Amino acid sequence: AQKITQTQPGMFVQEKEAVTLDCTYDTSDPSYGLFWYKQPSSGEMIFLIYQGSYDQQNATEGRYSLNFQKARKSANLVISASQLGDSAMYFCAMRIMPTGANSKLTFGKGITLSVRP
Amino acid sequence: DTEVTQTPKHLVMGMTNKKSLKCEQHMGHRAMYWYKQKAKKPPELMFVYSYEKLSINESVPSRFSPECPNSSLLNLHLHALQPEDSALYLCASSQILSRGHLIYGYTFGSGTRLTVV
Repeated sequence: AQKITQTQPGMFVQEKEAVTLDCTYDTSDPSYGLFWYKQPSSGEMIFLIYQGSYDQQNATEGRYSLNFQKARKSANLVISASQLGDSAMYFCAMRIMPTGANSKLTFGKGITLSVRP
Repeated sequence: DTEVTQTPKHLVMGMTNKKSLKCEQHMGHRAMYWYKQKAKKPPELMFVYSYEKLSINESVPSRFSPECPNSSLLNLHLHALQPEDSALYLCASSQILSRGHLIYGYTFGSGTRLTVV
């Protein structure tokens, strides 16, 4: 079974600074995808970035980048130049390639990020 | 159209009421999901539909009854709920995975905040 671990307590960052949110994962399946989602207080789960297990380069999407270290089974999210609107809960998630028709997205417990002006 | 639309956004219901949550997507996704989320916790999977057929029921009480009338619509019928069922209910959709292709994530709706009184 796959598992996602997010152990950081609530994180604080000063506006315009960079912040790293940690995520480690565990799976025996060689084919998997790693995802980060942002959930503001409004409740919507917003997709941020994706990393495939066979991708050679770290994923980047605007101010978001994923520090993927496959041997260490970590997939940390880096947010550069933090903005006040980045204050939210952040979830790391994983999905493996199924043998059947579908597979579940497994979530970590999440990290709350607060950006200070 | 890259949205998952959920209605209503807020719902207050009594323990003897019958209500329904609705979810709609027009992205051609053939997998749809219902999640329940308590505050500051990760989403918990309730049901998975693949090709309009129920494929996963995560031991959800029978007072929650899902329905998938067609490939674009997903309903969650509620009856005789308890106060502890108060939560954010998220709908999501995704492509069905197949080997050799990308591992797709989920697209989430903005959720229905349910309060049972």
